[in-house]
Amino acid sequence: EAGVAQSPRYKIIEKRQSVAFWCNPISGHATLYWYQQILGQGPKLLIQFQNNGVVDDSQLPKDRFSAERLKGVDSTLKIQPAKLEDSAVYLCASSKDRQQETQYFGPGTRLLVL
Amino acid sequence: ELKVEQNPLFLSMQEGKNYTIYCNYSTTSDRLYWYRQDPGKSLESLFVLLSNGAVKQEGRLMASLDTKARLSTLHITAAVHDLSATYFCAVALSGDDKIIFGKGTRLHILP
Repeated sequence: EAGVAQSPRYKIIEKRQSVAFWCNPISGHATLYWYQQILGQGPKLLIQFQNNGVVDDSQLPKDRFSAERLKGVDSTLKIQPAKLEDSAVYLCASSKDRQQETQYFGPGTRLLVL
Repeated sequence: ELKVEQNPLFLSMQEGKNYTIYCNYSTTSDRLYWYRQDPGKSLESLFVLLSNGAVKQEGRLMASLDTKARLSTLHITAAVHDLSATYFCAVALSGDDKIIFGKGTRLHILP
């Protein structure tokens, strides 16, 4: 069974530029999560999808971050414009459903904003 | 607001010793997760604990949950160097989908 795929693995941009990350969850997983992990901290949930609907986006900075999950499969997370404090690893995870199930994490995208 | 506290945040121990990592949380929860993260890597799921008194074991690691005390423990038995990593607990609010992670416990096992 293929795991959660993410791309790109690394990205370096200048502040005020835009960037997008892509995630392909495990086949058949209805729930998809985007996390931000700043160096030395635990992951922070940014947004959670159930199929193609948003379940929770309370911690997503909506003035600059956006995410979508068209057709309930792949997802993209966008930052526009980026700030220095957005430098972090962006992790995508998926699970079979919202309740009880284990989350499987992708390798992450390491973003550096200069 | 749900808060998750882990302690210790850093732990250096010798091989062969036993130790426990603690995870306290502030409000009612119905799911608790333990993850492992190696440096520069993603998170690997270790345990999902769903009910009061739940205990799960895998190799030298054993996790337990006391929902009344709002406490989970991750016990390491006869530690080996390969267990060196950062361990996170994460808690989901009852009736909610939001998952909050602790700051992690960086475990270093000396050979």
